[in-house]
Amino acid sequence: GESVGLHLPTLSVQEGDNSIINCAYSNSASDYFIWYKQESGKGPQFIIDIRSNMDKRQGQRVTVLLNKTVKHLSLQIAATQPGDSAVYFCAEIADRGSTLGRLYFGRGTQLTVWP
Amino acid sequence: GAVVSQHPSWVICKSGTSVKIECRSLDFQATTMFWYRQFPKQSLMLMATSNEGSKATYEQGVEKDKFLINHASLTLSTLTVTSAHPEDSSFYICSARDSGARAYEQYFGPGTRLTVT
Repeated sequence: GESVGLHLPTLSVQEGDNSIINCAYSNSASDYFIWYKQESGKGPQFIIDIRSNMDKRQGQRVTVLLNKTVKHLSLQIAATQPGDSAVYFCAEIADRGSTLGRLYFGRGTQLTVWP
Repeated sequence: GAVVSQHPSWVICKSGTSVKIECRSLDFQATTMFWYRQFPKQSLMLMATSNEGSKATYEQGVEKDKFLINHASLTLSTLTVTSAHPEDSSFYICSARDSGARAYEQYFGPGTRLTVT
């Protein structure tokens, strides 16, 4: 979704708790949705992706849920650790058409994990 | 594998000068590279798509004469910020897609912090 100019929302959790980070996307024609983690002063790091024809995908300690009806994406992090503190972005991408391969990033959420 | 580097990692330049940022794919061939800009506490904004051997495609609102992109080889793309001004100060990030990869598989560089004084 378009997010340039908006400041980041924040989420603070206690170490060991589960975190849920939400994202709204805008383009119903997107084929893939991807979650990235960005630590301060670094480039985005791939976490997990999900194809548009799926509702749920699990990785190691992370789960992504996709609700196409309301154009909503969420990232669940189990047993959150201090090393998970970062900014998390969702991104959408089409693998065909005029915008082939272009990643459009969502707003981002600053996750802070307290020991 | 799939490492993307950027050089320099940070640069300070005076207003009116030009700055070149390099993006390299170190262990794969990238027919397509992307350039993003990120202001503090904001999201990444796609600036342009760079295909090897052809002209870059710029996103709406991005001045192609100000942000010159060259993708002369399968492992190198450069972004030149011409006549830089303080408002161009930002974090510039590139990503690269492996020639044989799916459209959504991009690998990001570590970013370049540009400060224009």
